[in-house]
Amino acid sequence: GDSVTQTEGPVTVSESESLIINCTYSATSIAYPNLFWYVRYPGEGLQLLLKVITAGQKGSSRGFEATYNKETTSFHLQKASVQESDSAVYYCALGDQTNNNAPRFGAGTKLSVKP
Amino acid sequence: EAAVTQSPRNKVAVTGGKVTLSCNQTNNHNNMYWYRQDTGHGLRLIHYSYGAGSTEKGDIPDGYKASRPSQENFSLILELATPSQTSVYFCASGDWWGGSYEQYFGPGTRLTVL
Repeated sequence: GDSVTQTEGPVTVSESESLIINCTYSATSIAYPNLFWYVRYPGEGLQLLLKVITAGQKGSSRGFEATYNKETTSFHLQKASVQESDSAVYYCALGDQTNNNAPRFGAGTKLSVKP
Repeated sequence: EAAVTQSPRNKVAVTGGKVTLSCNQTNNHNNMYWYRQDTGHGLRLIHYSYGAGSTEKGDIPDGYKASRPSQENFSLILELATPSQTSVYFCASGDWWGGSYEQYFGPGTRLTVL
């Protein structure tokens, strides 16, 4: 079936360290998957962080980037130097535009950045 | 700026009671969604709607009803609440943007059923 697996949290890193949150997907019934990273800051709803709709392309936002790799079915989220304000829960999601447009979400990875 | 609001933000209910969670969007989006999010699980789709008067079952609809009386409003109804429905509930509206479909989420409602 269609599913998303991401790094199990919580993840704790120190400010200015690098970060990678792994995401792999299975899209057996989706012809043209779209991939998303959403972020939920404390007390807020989910916000779209970045999206990539074409395999091989890279998306970036707020210093984060992720590359849609069709060969490895991965969409890992990376940042070279995290800040305390990046502390949040990050969700990888697989878009299915042929099925009510509601994406499949990973379980979420809670990130805590120590000052 | 896309806007989705939910009420209440927190709710404590008793087993067997009726609970209604409300969602309002000012984006004029046709599509709206209700999800629940539990530790160790991603957001799971409960019900969704294509427009006023329509409701459709998502992946986990059992124990829930939905109502879409207008473009702006979408409610989730628990007729007989159970402790297993303790969760955080998110509402979303959706539309096409930049060649792909995006969803805009509300802040969530934390429901505790005792």
